[in-house]
Amino acid sequence: DAGVTQSPTHLIKTRGQHVTLRCSPISGHKSVSWYQQVLGQGPQFIFQYYEKEERGRGNFPDRFSARQFPNYSSELNVNALLLGDSALYLCASSLGPSGGPGDTQYFGPGTRLTVL
Amino acid sequence: RKEVEQDPGPFNVPEGATVAFNCTYSNSASQSFFWYRQDCRKEPKLLMSVYSSGNEDGRFTAQLNRASQYISLLIRDSKLSDSATYLCVVNLNKLVFGAGTILRVKS
Repeated sequence: DAGVTQSPTHLIKTRGQHVTLRCSPISGHKSVSWYQQVLGQGPQFIFQYYEKEERGRGNFPDRFSARQFPNYSSELNVNALLLGDSALYLCASSLGPSGGPGDTQYFGPGTRLTVL
Repeated sequence: RKEVEQDPGPFNVPEGATVAFNCTYSNSASQSFFWYRQDCRKEPKLLMSVYSSGNEDGRFTAQLNRASQYISLLIRDSKLSDSATYLCVVNLNKLVFGAGTILRVKS
């Protein structure tokens, strides 16, 4: 069975540009979460979506937005990119939202974003 | 104070050694607990959930002490392939990760 997939694998952008990252969850999983991981740190929570509704938001500026589609795939959008947005962006899927049954999260390989 | 704190290491151990990692968390409302393993430039992979009664999976043993807000991971008979970063994770309706502990197992 396919795991969580993310695209693209790598991306290079310049300051001020916009980026869209994509994630497809494990088949049957209805919840998708997004994380940012900078070098030397653990992943930081950005968003969680369940059944197409936002269920949680981390401490990130409004330049970060996301959505979930009817097929449970998800997009993360970042506007007005800054140098500090350079990081590995991870998507994780689970059967259900955090705090409920089936909330164990499985991660995709990530998108490595470099902002120049 | 960070929500999840870990000793960053690195822990350099010989093959066959037993090594223990510790983790503390600050929010007593934390609902569930995990250890994830992350190899260099790869995604985190779930190693094991952590239960109050303690749980074991082969060479790996995890313990949770809710009163002290403390989580541990014990690895017995270390293998070269255990070399990775080990992430302590608590669930607060979102996963909160520690910064990770680096383990290097050497022959």
